[in-house]
Amino acid sequence: GQQLNQSPQSMFIQEGEDVSMNCTSSSIFNTWLWYKQDPGEGPVLLIALYKAGELTSNGRLTAQFGITRKDSFLNISASIPSDVGIYFCAGPRTDSWGKLQFGAGTQVVVTP
Amino acid sequence: GAGVSQSPSNKVTEKGKDVELRCDPISGHTALYWYRQSLGQGLEFLIYFQGNSAPDKSGLPSDRFSAERTGGSVSTLTIQRTQQEDSAVYLCASSPGPNTQYFGPGTRLTVL
Repeated sequence: GQQLNQSPQSMFIQEGEDVSMNCTSSSIFNTWLWYKQDPGEGPVLLIALYKAGELTSNGRLTAQFGITRKDSFLNISASIPSDVGIYFCAGPRTDSWGKLQFGAGTQVVVTP
Repeated sequence: GAGVSQSPSNKVTEKGKDVELRCDPISGHTALYWYRQSLGQGLEFLIYFQGNSAPDKSGLPSDRFSAERTGGSVSTLTIQRTQQEDSAVYLCASSPGPNTQYFGPGTRLTVL
């Protein structure tokens, strides 16, 4: 199937550190999406990637669409306390048009 | 502009009662999705509406769950005879196209 394996499951980092997480699949995706969910809120779209090899930034966030189209990476530079939350990767399912496959999420905790 | 809104934000009910959760999508978005998120877990797809097509109900966990979308806009998710395992955050998302989805803040349901 189109399972998305997201790692790490959780990470505890100190303020100012850089964070890196990734999402892999055995299937090819044509689009990669990264969402962030703040505690008590719905997920918010951070970055969308549409082309293999694409590197896109949004402030301190940088995401890359892997060359093989089977993986994607999200980096957060110089983390701050408000970076805390759950980060989800997602991609469109090919077995069901219009639906997204979500990873299980990476929980990020930032300590001062 | 206005994002996806959901009401109520919190709902506490007694086991066996019926509940209705409401979602107002972004104006003009043709697709609407419902997800369930248990504490600390990922997103569980429930149901998907696309335009005037028959909804994709493949994620509904039991026949106690149903949803409708009136006039291609507002949607209501109904859970009949609620059980304690129904306690979760119910998220609604809407989309202008097949890929990106925009989420509401969710309704936190607690079944006592």
